[in-house]
Amino acid sequence: NAGVTQTPKFQVLKTGQSMTLQCAQDMNHNSMYWYRQDPGMGLRLIYYSASEGTTDKGEVPNGYNVSRLNKREFSLRLESAAPSQTSVYFCASSEPTGGGTGELFFGEGSRLTVL
Amino acid sequence: QKEVEQDPGPLSVPEGAIVSLNCTYSNSAFQYFMWYRQYSRKGPELLMYTYSSGNKEDGRFTAQVDKSSKYISLFIRDSQPSDSATYLCAMSGTGGFKTIFGAGTRLFVKA
Repeated sequence: NAGVTQTPKFQVLKTGQSMTLQCAQDMNHNSMYWYRQDPGMGLRLIYYSASEGTTDKGEVPNGYNVSRLNKREFSLRLESAAPSQTSVYFCASSEPTGGGTGELFFGEGSRLTVL
Repeated sequence: QKEVEQDPGPLSVPEGAIVSLNCTYSNSAFQYFMWYRQYSRKGPELLMYTYSSGNKEDGRFTAQVDKSSKYISLFIRDSQPSDSATYLCAMSGTGGFKTIFGAGTRLFVKA
């Protein structure tokens, strides 16, 4: 099993350009997440999808949109990239159990630089 | 004030040392406490997952949760160079989907 797969792994954008980060999981998990990781800030939740057909804002949603395409796929779109969005982006999935989110399974990350 | 505070280090120890990593938090609604390990240029992987207070042991790793003090710890016994990584504490409440992460502590174990 591949687990969580993210594409692209690296991307350089100019300010104002748009792009979409793709994420797919093959573990049949209901919940999927997008995090960004910045030095000294840890992982911060951008958006999540508790189940197919639903999406909700996390801690830092401004400047991003998401689409839960189906149970397997969850994409993150930057409509007009800004230098402040330079970061490493991680997609994760989980199967909530016992009232908690359950173990988060992460992809290997997408490194985005906005010039 | 951040909801979860974690010293980013770096922490450098000799091989065989006992390592203590810690986090404090402010939200008393947190019920699930986790430690993730992240190797360089990789995604985080779950190391320990505990519910409410108490201790949990898994091989060389022990996780402790003290809800009265809002303090969690991860102990690594007989540390190995392969333990060199960033360790992130994480926590969440019940019925929600927002797991909050600490900044991560970078650990170096020298051979």
